Amino acid sequence: DAGVIQSPRHEVTEMGQEVTLRCKPISGHDYLFWYRQTMMRGLELLIYFNNNVPIDDSGMPEDRFSAKMPNASFSTLKIQPSEPRDSAVYFCASSSRLGGGFIRSTDTQYFGPGTRLTVL
Amino acid sequence: KQEVTQIPAALSVPEGENLVLNCSFTDSAIYNLQWFRQDPGKGLTSLLLIQSSQREQTSGRLNASLDKSSGRSTLYIAASQPGDSATYLCAVIRGGSNYKLTFGKGTLLTVNP
Repeated sequence: DAGVIQSPRHEVTEMGQEVTLRCKPISGHDYLFWYRQTMMRGLELLIYFNNNVPIDDSGMPEDRFSAKMPNASFSTLKIQPSEPRDSAVYFCASSSRLGGGFIRSTDTQYFGPGTRLTVL
Repeated sequence: KQEVTQIPAALSVPEGENLVLNCSFTDSAIYNLQWFRQDPGKGLTSLLLIQSSQREQTSGRLNASLDKSSGRSTLYIAASQPGDSATYLCAVIRGGSNYKLTFGKGTLLTVNP
């Protein structure tokens, strides 16, 4: 498997523009996570999905952020309108529930390479 | 709210030295603790996962310990190599139906040849 794929790898945009980040999880994984990493706050979970359904979006900073997962192989994180303080590296990760049931404490997450977003 | 702290923030050692990275967490009600490695411009790679019922895990030159009661974990790297240079992050998780990792800010390790 190619691992978790994210695009674009780098994005530079101007304040006020819409930004869409994309993620393709590992085939067969039914959990997908979006994280944001900054120097000040470290790595923070924004939202996660199970079987394409959003489970916990309490980490989404504000209404300008939205995430969708239309099918098992694709997810987007959208920022509209973007602001300079959104500049960060955004990671996508996926995981599977081996054997079904609730995700177990032994199930690790596999991270993509990240998208570095710069909002001018 | 769970907080995870890693000390030191940066560490530089000569090749061959044994070293210890530290991680502390405020809420001891965790299901597991993981250590990750992050290389510049890349995502995170899971190194070791310790379940709450375990005291330690080993993989090659890496050994991670967990003391839930004191809210501490250590990552021991034996005979360090330049290829070990990276940022090491620890993360704790409350499992069950709510699967959320809380990360520390990491320790930047540099191993000098």
